[in-house]
Amino acid sequence: EAQVTQNPRYLITVTGKKLTVTCSQNMNHEYMSWYRQDPGLGLRQIYYSMNVEVTDKGDVPEGYKVSRKEKRNFPLILESPSPNQTSLYFCASSFQGAISTDTQYFGPGTRLTVL
Amino acid sequence: AQSVAQPEDQVNVAEGNPLTVKCTYSVSGNPYLFWYVQYPNRGLQFLLKYITGDNLVKGSYGFEAEFNKSQTSFHLKKPSALVSDSALYFCAVRAAFYGQNFVFGPGTRLSVLP
Repeated sequence: EAQVTQNPRYLITVTGKKLTVTCSQNMNHEYMSWYRQDPGLGLRQIYYSMNVEVTDKGDVPEGYKVSRKEKRNFPLILESPSPNQTSLYFCASSFQGAISTDTQYFGPGTRLTVL
Repeated sequence: AQSVAQPEDQVNVAEGNPLTVKCTYSVSGNPYLFWYVQYPNRGLQFLLKYITGDNLVKGSYGFEAEFNKSQTSFHLKKPSALVSDSALYFCAVRAAFYGQNFVFGPGTRLSVLP
């Protein structure tokens, strides 16, 4: 089954304790992205990756890191989480050809609470 | 820069009535336009997209959307709303050339009343 998986689905942590949210896709997609969803703000892009070893900042990258060492995986790293990073996080992937029109596929979301 | 506006935070409609969820966009060049739906405690599900061709696009669950280039709009419509359509709807845009990102609107909450 084609899917994007995220782990963990729920996480409660404390300020300053490093954490990683994993994202994996099995569709051989080049493009992967992380979003955060906050009430009234919709989805805001944190980081994206056009392919392996190619990453770039989205609209709200501060406080986050990513890596893309393999095509299927795109982990999101919070080195020192703060309460303002409490949010619902989504990973997404899609093909990204020269004339790609493909849709983004989303993971189920990770609800993070930073105390 | 790309942007998407969804001017209504909330849309209420009676079951069986037609519904419209509005979306306007700004992008350099031609747009690719998308609608997604999010049910409570779920991820985003793809509904439909406009890439090129016919301005009226049909998608999942009886939804359709009309691309209007002059008004830079891509409103989502359904002829007869169901209570089960109640959800959060997101419009998204990306420019039609390589390397461009998706930009999402803030979302519109649709409530279909029985």
